[in-house]
Amino acid sequence: DQQVKQNSPSLSVQEGRISILNCDYTNSMFDYFLWYKKYPAEGPTFLISISSIKDKNEDGRFTVFLNKSAKHLSLHIVPSQPGDSAVYFCAANGMDSNYQLIWGAGTKLIIKP
Amino acid sequence: DGGITQSPKYLFRKEGQNVTLSCEQNLNHDAMYWYRQDPGQGLRLIYYSQIVNDFQKGDIAEGYSVSREKKESFPLTVTSAQKNPTAFYLCASSLAGGFSNEQFFGPGTRLTVL
Repeated sequence: DQQVKQNSPSLSVQEGRISILNCDYTNSMFDYFLWYKKYPAEGPTFLISISSIKDKNEDGRFTVFLNKSAKHLSLHIVPSQPGDSAVYFCAANGMDSNYQLIWGAGTKLIIKP
Repeated sequence: DGGITQSPKYLFRKEGQNVTLSCEQNLNHDAMYWYRQDPGQGLRLIYYSQIVNDFQKGDIAEGYSVSREKKESFPLTVTSAQKNPTAFYLCASSLAGGFSNEQFFGPGTRLTVL
């Protein structure tokens, strides 16, 4: 039973445009949500996070939006750059998971020049 | 500089052999984790440790064992009981194991069973 779902295995975006990556979750007890970026044959690196008490968090080109009623979050990257090409993972935790991260399957983002 | 090291980067093992993957961190983090990644899937938690000399099973602990004798080190042994051990293994650490635990990852070890 996948508690965190990233339904798009891949996404292709033109350089300079906005990239929007989506993530859905089923557990309403999740408290905290994180986005990680991963290059091939490397470990993931933390990108941005959001607490369930907020609906938006911004860090430079990256913004995460949380819609608790829809159990949906999205990561916006604007403008998209070639170095943004990577796999993006959404993760969540809460009391139910003993605060261990539950991960989505990832979305591969390809930025076209 | 601070970080997490995993060795080796690539590892080949014959079926039926145990193998140990190394993970060391110098970030002074209390919590450490082992994950497994398979193609097209998210990371799945094998074991985690929130303090020295203590560890807990994750979602897929069967066929694996760990130890946490030192704060800096959290080795993972893949035993012959693990039915499908070929995968990419990731070690991570965090300041604490609770709420908003941003985890820092090592470069990973790709294990292939021949």
